[in-house]
Amino acid sequence: GAGVSQSPSNKVTEKGKDVELRCDPISGHTALYWYRQSLGQGLEFLIYFQGNSAPDKSGLPSDRFSAERTGGSVSTLTIQRTQQEDSAVYLCASSYLSVNTGELFFGEGSRLTVL
Amino acid sequence: SQQGEEDPQALSIQEGENATMNCSYKTSINNLQWYRQNSGRGLVHLILIRSNEREKHSGRLRVTLDTSKKSSSLLITASRAADTASYFCATDDRLIYNQGGKLIFGQGTELSVKP
Repeated sequence: GAGVSQSPSNKVTEKGKDVELRCDPISGHTALYWYRQSLGQGLEFLIYFQGNSAPDKSGLPSDRFSAERTGGSVSTLTIQRTQQEDSAVYLCASSYLSVNTGELFFGEGSRLTVL
Repeated sequence: SQQGEEDPQALSIQEGENATMNCSYKTSINNLQWYRQNSGRGLVHLILIRSNEREKHSGRLRVTLDTSKKSSSLLITASRAADTASYFCATDDRLIYNQGGKLIFGQGTELSVKP
């Protein structure tokens, strides 16, 4: 597609439920990033993929968070047993090679609300 | 740990005035990037400046980088109401990531340009 696509754009869930957030990066982009942004705050790094492998998953807040990337393309961020503090906008970005070689292209985000 | 920190946190100016935002970071970097975020949207890349560059221009944007002080500034000249947005600096970490790796974002400066 023309840009990074994220779905759903909005998700309201009950505490304790699992959620899956999807990111479809720009075709041909090898690097994919997940960030979290709480209301009025900066971006918190979660995980980074190069191809299908994740060299850096140091930002995942707990073992309730996991992510995978298949076929060097689509990525899914899964949050198990959601808590209210998980409420945030989850942003996905992709880049052609790496942050050393150019810019990140961001999706519009998935806004998660945990009741 | 946070890499980039912006100053000021919020800035309100009149249309036509110049807006200056500052960013400080902690470690050696390969490059520094500036992004813009309109309310409720994803981030959009503005400009990238490499560690061996001191100044870069793009339209009404001027970015400086002082690696000895570990700081950067973004100047928007002749501001317009449409420049109202949050602005973030982002850096990699050269010591850890010789190639590739993640971008760490600051907390952002919220710019309001009044018509």
